[in-house]
Amino acid sequence: DAGVIQSPRHEVTEMGQEVTLRCKPISGHNSLFWYRQTMMRGLELLIYFNNNVPIDDSGMPEDRFSAKMPNASFSTLKIQPSEPRDSAVYFCASSLRQTSTDTQYFGPGTRLTVL
Amino acid sequence: DAKTTQPPSMDCAEGRAANLPCNHSTISGNEYVYWYRQIHSQGPQYIIHGLKNNETNEMASLIITEDRKSSTLILPHATLRDTAVYYCIVGRDDKIIFGKGTRLHILP
Repeated sequence: DAGVIQSPRHEVTEMGQEVTLRCKPISGHNSLFWYRQTMMRGLELLIYFNNNVPIDDSGMPEDRFSAKMPNASFSTLKIQPSEPRDSAVYFCASSLRQTSTDTQYFGPGTRLTVL
Repeated sequence: DAKTTQPPSMDCAEGRAANLPCNHSTISGNEYVYWYRQIHSQGPQYIIHGLKNNETNEMASLIITEDRKSSTLILPHATLRDTAVYYCIVGRDDKIIFGKGTRLHILP
């Protein structure tokens, strides 16, 4: 079975440009999470969706970041405009929310470099 | 903020059991203990979780103290492929907060 799919795997862009990261969750999963990982701050939860609805976006750093989930099989994380401090690895994860415990399955990540 | 405390790093000889401790003294009664690991350059991988009872699966065992204030993840026969950062997390429902984890080095 295909796991969580993220694209692109690597992105290099210049400051001020718009960046769009994409995620396809595991089929049938109804929760989706976006994380960011840096050496300084570790792994941070940015936002998560349940049944395509954003539930908690308190981790989104600022208005330059936005996330959407137009359907159950696709989500985007957009940064506009991008800044060098946004350089990080961005992970998407999905889970099947059935009980109060949910195993999250992570994608391979997108390594973003903003010059 | 993460609700757990873990040693920053540990060493374990290949073939021996790796015992990774975690303190979670402020855990609530309905919060679970989760363990994930992250091998270099990969996304985190779920290992095991538990509420009160000890748990075992094909990857590891989880021992939770009776007062639930600490737990230990046991990898029974560590291999070089177990070299990773191991995260102990407490939480419930969807939101889990990753701390800094323990960097486990398996020594050949």
